[in-house]
Amino acid sequence: GAGVSQSPSNKVTEKGKDVELRCDPISGHTALYWYRQSLGQGLEFLIYFQGNSAPDKSGLPSDRFSAERTGGSVSTLTIQRTQQEDSAVYLCASSLAGSGSTDTQYFGPGTRLTVL
Amino acid sequence: AQSVTQLGSHVSVSEGALVLLRCNYSSSVPPYLFWYVQYPNQGLQLLLKYTSAATLVKGINGFEAEFKKSETSFHLTKPSAHMSDAAEYFCAVSPTGRRALTFGSGTRLQVQP
Repeated sequence: GAGVSQSPSNKVTEKGKDVELRCDPISGHTALYWYRQSLGQGLEFLIYFQGNSAPDKSGLPSDRFSAERTGGSVSTLTIQRTQQEDSAVYLCASSLAGSGSTDTQYFGPGTRLTVL
Repeated sequence: AQSVTQLGSHVSVSEGALVLLRCNYSSSVPPYLFWYVQYPNQGLQLLLKYTSAATLVKGINGFEAEFKKSETSFHLTKPSAHMSDAAEYFCAVSPTGRRALTFGSGTRLQVQP
């Protein structure tokens, strides 16, 4: 079946602009995660959605970052007033999210964001 | 907070040689541990995971890892490297009660012909 998809694959923007990154999880997966991969910081957790529960936003680096998940499926990560340090690959993952912490997370190909 | 440390940001082996990628975790209780692989310009793919069942875990593409509580280690091995194994490998931990993964800094594996 189809995997996790992300769009756009690449995004170049100017400092100060807002950007939206989209993630389509695997159908039937109730858990969705956003991570950021950058040269300086490695792979970092950003935010986690599980069903209708309040999202875990503990990894968001600043209040310029926000995310929503509509209808328990598609998610959008929004970065307002982008800064050069926001340049990174943004990865989305989804999992079935059964009991426990051992659900396999399936990753999308990522969106490469470049802030000029 | 739980974390993982990967020793060696770059590892180079010859084709056919043993692959050993090191990962140590810090946790007061045995966590759930994962190895992911990332090929160039692609997302992460799960190789294997430890979930407190068997300590020797077999994964895809001939990889395996052994959980050693006494050494707080979860090293990844493969008996014979293939050129197609060239990629970046990430060890990750899932803190008890929380689903987000904490990743190590990654090890780039180079396979020489």
